[in-house]
Amino acid sequence: GAVVSQHPSWVICKSGTSVKIECRSLDFQATTMFWYRQFPKQSLMLMATSNEGSKATYEQGVEKDKFLINHASLTLSTLTVTSAHPEDSSFYICSAHATAPDEQFFGPGTRLTVL
Amino acid sequence: DAKTTQPTSMDCAEGRAANLPCNHSTISGNEYVYWYRQIHSQGPQYIIHGLKNNETNEMASLIITEDRKSSTLILPHATLRDTAVYYCIAGRDDKIIFGKGTRLHILP
Repeated sequence: GAVVSQHPSWVICKSGTSVKIECRSLDFQATTMFWYRQFPKQSLMLMATSNEGSKATYEQGVEKDKFLINHASLTLSTLTVTSAHPEDSSFYICSAHATAPDEQFFGPGTRLTVL
Repeated sequence: DAKTTQPTSMDCAEGRAANLPCNHSTISGNEYVYWYRQIHSQGPQYIIHGLKNNETNEMASLIITEDRKSSTLILPHATLRDTAVYYCIAGRDDKIIFGKGTRLHILP
């Protein structure tokens, strides 16, 4: 099956700093990528939909100025958590939509810890 | 996406078939039923999906009722590695919305 990678797999940062997470589709092109957040013992929550070459669409309650999404190419989307605070500590997961096969493939996730 | 309802948790003995139910009574005609699972601290793994016919692959079988209001995921011979949270989703794959899922414990 198609592979989606995320980098880094885990990151620890100080409060107030910004962190960038990369999501790559390794063997297919993805016009649409998605970003999810998951707190401990909870389900995945969709944060935003990222379309190549256009602005991301954010779900209700997700601050677009805090979670900057860039989808500059058909194989790369980035999520930048700006001015991170401890409450932003979470597991961030991306997925990429392939057209052949017509499926969504998920990355392994990035665990962010803000001190 | 249509709302889905799943049991919070289930137990299954190793080697037996695990049958995970899901209700999706508000599913619309063009929405599929998807099943994913998530093993602790990993990204979700696709299992199977279907529209109205039953489906089988190397991982599992999906049984969808004729009225499409519910479905059952069957893992034919559960192993300890199948311990995970299983998510049933009714929707289109252009936007996957996760519910709370079923935590499946495989007992040795």
